[in-house]
Amino acid sequence: DAGVIQSPRHEVTEMGQEVTLRCKPISGHNSLFWYRQTMMRGLELLIYFNNNVPIDDSGMPEDRFSAKMPNASFSTLKIQPSEPRDSAVYFCASSFNRYEQYFGPGTRLTVT
Amino acid sequence: GEDVEQSLFLSVREGDSSVINCTYTDSSSTYLYWYKQEPGAGLQLLTYIFSNMDMKQDQRLTVLLNKKDKHLSLRIADTQTGDSAIYFCAESKAAGSYQLTFGKGTKLSVIP
Repeated sequence: DAGVIQSPRHEVTEMGQEVTLRCKPISGHNSLFWYRQTMMRGLELLIYFNNNVPIDDSGMPEDRFSAKMPNASFSTLKIQPSEPRDSAVYFCASSFNRYEQYFGPGTRLTVT
Repeated sequence: GEDVEQSLFLSVREGDSSVINCTYTDSSSTYLYWYKQEPGAGLQLLTYIFSNMDMKQDQRLTVLLNKKDKHLSLRIADTQTGDSAIYFCAESKAAGSYQLTFGKGTKLSVIP
């Protein structure tokens, strides 16, 4: 299995631009998670999907952030408009039993 | 204070044992996890332990749980240079919960 796939691996954009991060979970997994990692705050859960349905989005920082999961094999995290404080590494993880979360390699986002 | 605390750095010589410690505050935590993050990569699940267990061993890895003191440790026997990474402790607060609370991570440096 290829594992969780994320794209792009690196994204550099200017403040105010729209950013879309993509994730393909492991086939057969029914849970998907988006995390953000920064030096100051560590790893934070942004949103959790189960069977393609958003269950908990309480970690989404503000309305500028949105996430979708149109089918079992694809999810997006969108930031519009982006701000410098959104600079971080964004991880997608998937799970088949909620106890074992498998992480993707992450997308390093830099907003200038 | 933080829910999950770890020391930030640990340095050991190749061939020695490494012990990475973690304390957590929530006595209702049910699963406790160790993840490994290599530079530029996502988090890799190493092992996890259920709160009714005291110890779990998997090849070179030994996890010890002291539930009374809310203390978790990861021992790596015969530490190799390939073990150099950041190690994260995490807890889930309820049976079947998807919510993981991560520590800030311990950076393990292995000296050849």
